[in-house]
Amino acid sequence: DAMVIQNPRYQVTQFGKPVTLSCSQTLNHNVMYWYQQKSSQAPKLLFHYYDKDFNNEADTPDNFQSRRPNTSFCFLDIRSPGLGDAAMYLCATSGVPNTEAFFGQGTRLTVV
Amino acid sequence: GEDVEQSLFLSVREGDSSVINCTYTDSSSTYLYWYKQEPGAGLQLLTYIFSNMDMKQDQRLTVLLNKKDKHLSLRIADTQTGDSAIYFCAERGGSYIPTFGRGTSLIVHP
Repeated sequence: DAMVIQNPRYQVTQFGKPVTLSCSQTLNHNVMYWYQQKSSQAPKLLFHYYDKDFNNEADTPDNFQSRRPNTSFCFLDIRSPGLGDAAMYLCATSGVPNTEAFFGQGTRLTVV
Repeated sequence: GEDVEQSLFLSVREGDSSVINCTYTDSSSTYLYWYKQEPGAGLQLLTYIFSNMDMKQDQRLTVLLNKKDKHLSLRIADTQTGDSAIYFCAERGGSYIPTFGRGTSLIVHP
C-alpha cells in the first residue's frame, strides 16, 4: 500500500491562478519535504517541516507556500504560477533525522 | 561544483552488469542512498549504505563506498529492460536533509 500519497498525479493550471498540491502519509513520520524537479535536474528542496517547525530554503520563491495542518497532511500552495513553475513536485517523509526519505509518486504540474 | 555528481547517461546490453558512479563533497555524510525513478513516477528507495561500511549487497544490487575518495557506486548484476530508469545518488550529512545528484539515465537494450 502506498505510504506517501500525492494528489492529484497531474494538475493543469492557468498562468497566475492559485493552485494547491496535497500530500498525505500513513507512516507517522515527523519530517515532510517538498521538492521541485525539472527535466534532467536533481530534485530541488523547496521547504520542509520538522513536526510543526517550518523550514524554508533561502532560494525558494515567495510564490511558494506550505501548510501542515497535522502530522499526516502537507500542502504546497503556489500563489501565482508562472510558466517556469511547470515541473514535477515531489513530497517525501522521513521518520527521524538520519533515516531514509520515502517519496510519493509526484504531481506533474502544467501551467498554460 | 555540485555537491553530488553523477554521469548523465549509461547504456548497457541486457544481461550485462551496470555500474553507476557518484561522487560527493560532504565529508560528514553519514548515509548515502540510491533511488530509482521510472518515467512519470516518484523516487523509489533502492538501497542505502551507512558511512562506516564499504560494501552492501542486496540481491542484484551491490553498493560500494570509498569514503576516502568520496565515491559511491551502484552495480546492477544481470541488467534487465525493467531496470531502465533514472538512478539518483543522494547523501545525508550532519543535516537530515538529503542532497541529490542530477541522476543517471540507464538505458538497457537487447
